[in-house]
Amino acid sequence: NAGVMQNPRHLVRRRGQEARLRCSPMKGHSHVYWYRQLPEEGLKFMVYLQKENIIDESGMPKERFSAEFPKEGPSILRIQQVVRGDSAAYFCASSVDNQPQHFGDGTRLSIL
Amino acid sequence: DQQVKQNSPSLSVQEGRISILNCDYTNSMFDYFLWYKKYPAEGPTFLISISSIKDKNEDGRFTVFLNKSAKHLSLHIVPSQPGDSAVYFCAASGHSGNTPLVFGKGTRLSVIA
Repeated sequence: NAGVMQNPRHLVRRRGQEARLRCSPMKGHSHVYWYRQLPEEGLKFMVYLQKENIIDESGMPKERFSAEFPKEGPSILRIQQVVRGDSAAYFCASSVDNQPQHFGDGTRLSIL
Repeated sequence: DQQVKQNSPSLSVQEGRISILNCDYTNSMFDYFLWYKKYPAEGPTFLISISSIKDKNEDGRFTVFLNKSAKHLSLHIVPSQPGDSAVYFCAASGHSGNTPLVFGKGTRLSVIA
């Protein structure tokens, strides 16, 4: 029973490029969450999605960041025109109704 | 403004003894609390949770206590084992599921053999 799968595990981008982070939830999970973790900090919520719908994006910056969870395929977190401050670990979690969230191993994004 | 606080960045405990990790919260709307364990280069792993209608939940060596009036919860691990060495995150939300989690900054537990 595969867990939450995130890829790539590591991603290096130069300033101004685009970063695409992918997340496949656990089988049967319809809720997907994205969190960001800066060094020595806790995880900070960014966006919550269900299939084809954004439920809550209150934690996501208004510019350059977008997320989707299409009917088919993984959830994508997209960061356009990356800047140094976007360097962080990005974690995806999934859940079924009223159950704890289970996390993937994250994507470490480094901006040169 | 941090709504979930873990005031001890680190904790060292001898193998076999009890580890007590503490967490305070400020938002009285939180009614569901979770503890996650995280190893380096891995994602957080769910350990145990508690809803506000209870004051204690136990699962093997792990027990979580909730004091709603003090807005305080704690995780007890007994007996502590070297494999328990990790960063422990306290998290809270407004419902038992389907809502974003608010995390503390974590406490790094070292269990010394």
